[in-house]
Amino acid sequence: GNSVTQMEGPVTLSEEAFLTINCTYTATGYPSLFWYVQYPGEGLQLLLKATKADDKGSNKGFEATYRKETTSFHLEKGSVQVSDSAVYFCALSGNTGNQFYFGTGTSLTVIP
Amino acid sequence: DAGITQSPRHKVTETGTPVTLRCHQTENHRYMYWYRQDPGHGLRLIHYSYGVKDTDKGEVSDGYSVSRSKTEDFLLTLESATSSQTSVYFCAISESTRVTDTQYFGPGTRLTVL
Repeated sequence: GNSVTQMEGPVTLSEEAFLTINCTYTATGYPSLFWYVQYPGEGLQLLLKATKADDKGSNKGFEATYRKETTSFHLEKGSVQVSDSAVYFCALSGNTGNQFYFGTGTSLTVIP
Repeated sequence: DAGITQSPRHKVTETGTPVTLRCHQTENHRYMYWYRQDPGHGLRLIHYSYGVKDTDKGEVSDGYSVSRSKTEDFLLTLESATSSQTSVYFCAISESTRVTDTQYFGPGTRLTVL
């Protein structure tokens, strides 16, 4: 079946630090992979996505590469800002009915 | 931003009462979804709709029903609310079911069942 595993949080970083949030997946077929971000009190917003192996999604300085050989889609950012404080969700879309499978979320707090 | 609204945004109710949450979209997307978000579980699919009057169950559908009489509206009903249904509920929409398609989310409804 399909599932997503994310690194446990919370994560606390100083401003300008390097960020990595690990995400691995189990899937049948050829899923697409997504990172969503949720700011306090808001819904989920698409941050980036990749639809096939070796694709790199990027947005707002965040990047993630679809690695089929390691079944991973780790989120990275070279220099985080206080405004990046949020909860980050890794997700995959399955092959039928566009059903999404979400990780449990990783809370990030960036301190000045 | 996708045009998705949810109402109410917050609700407190008592065990045993019926509750209906509404999702409204202005994108004319065919597919709509209801998720619940709980700590340690991420988001889990409750029900989804693939067209007017066409709905199906998700992973955690027990205790919930849905209806879709118009493309733009998708209702989630808790027939008799229980404390285990205290959660944040999100509606999502997508244009198609292609595996590459994105789901877009509403702002959420925080439901507390006392």
